[in-house]
Amino acid sequence: ETGVTQTPRHLVMGMTNKKSLKCEQHLGHNAMYWYKQSAKKPLELMFVYSLEERVENNSVPSRFSPECPNSSHLFLHLHTLQPEDSALYLCASSPDPDPSTDTQYFGPGTRLTVL
Amino acid sequence: DAKTTQPNSMESNEEEPVHLPCNHSTISGTDYIHWYRQLPSQGPEYVIHGLTSNVNNRMASLAIAEDRKSSTLILHRATLRDAAVYYCILRERGTSYDKVIFGPGTSLSVIP
Repeated sequence: ETGVTQTPRHLVMGMTNKKSLKCEQHLGHNAMYWYKQSAKKPLELMFVYSLEERVENNSVPSRFSPECPNSSHLFLHLHTLQPEDSALYLCASSPDPDPSTDTQYFGPGTRLTVL
Repeated sequence: DAKTTQPNSMESNEEEPVHLPCNHSTISGTDYIHWYRQLPSQGPEYVIHGLTSNVNNRMASLAIAEDRKSSTLILHRATLRDAAVYYCILRERGTSYDKVIFGPGTSLSVIP
């Protein structure tokens, strides 16, 4: 039990659809993250939130829009995606946003397929 | 940016120790060495991290070379559940998050 849940676990959407991915952490952590993992590629950091404030946006296209309404919830809103956006989207949280020492706890991911 | 290199894949027999190497020859004095692993169909899982001294926890041990240009993750007794991709990453205090780079990692197979 990682304490980080993601819904849905699988999502298929068309390029004109709008959908949202949800992440919830029950660990009392202060930082939350979105990562993208494409097939046979390393994890890519997309967004970082610390105490509900966005602290990093890794040059992600605007068709991905994050939202962090409180320290336990993180959303990734998707619109007009491209087939190359198909990937595993992972959410993580950590108690301390210091990149040198924080330990991240990952959710199981949402497998996204864009048709 | 300091980067790491790891073998693409390794094999181990069940119940034997496994030594997973990582080279980080451009490491700076403030870089921490972190290890994560990713089991099939799951998100990555934190394993261990250290700065200069060797570290032990319930999952593994981390041996850091004296010059810090390499490190080794040690699984003392491999089980089938340890089959995963192991990532060695460097994290520098005070830098922004986009300096955190996951490489391709080492895919560990455990043979029964």
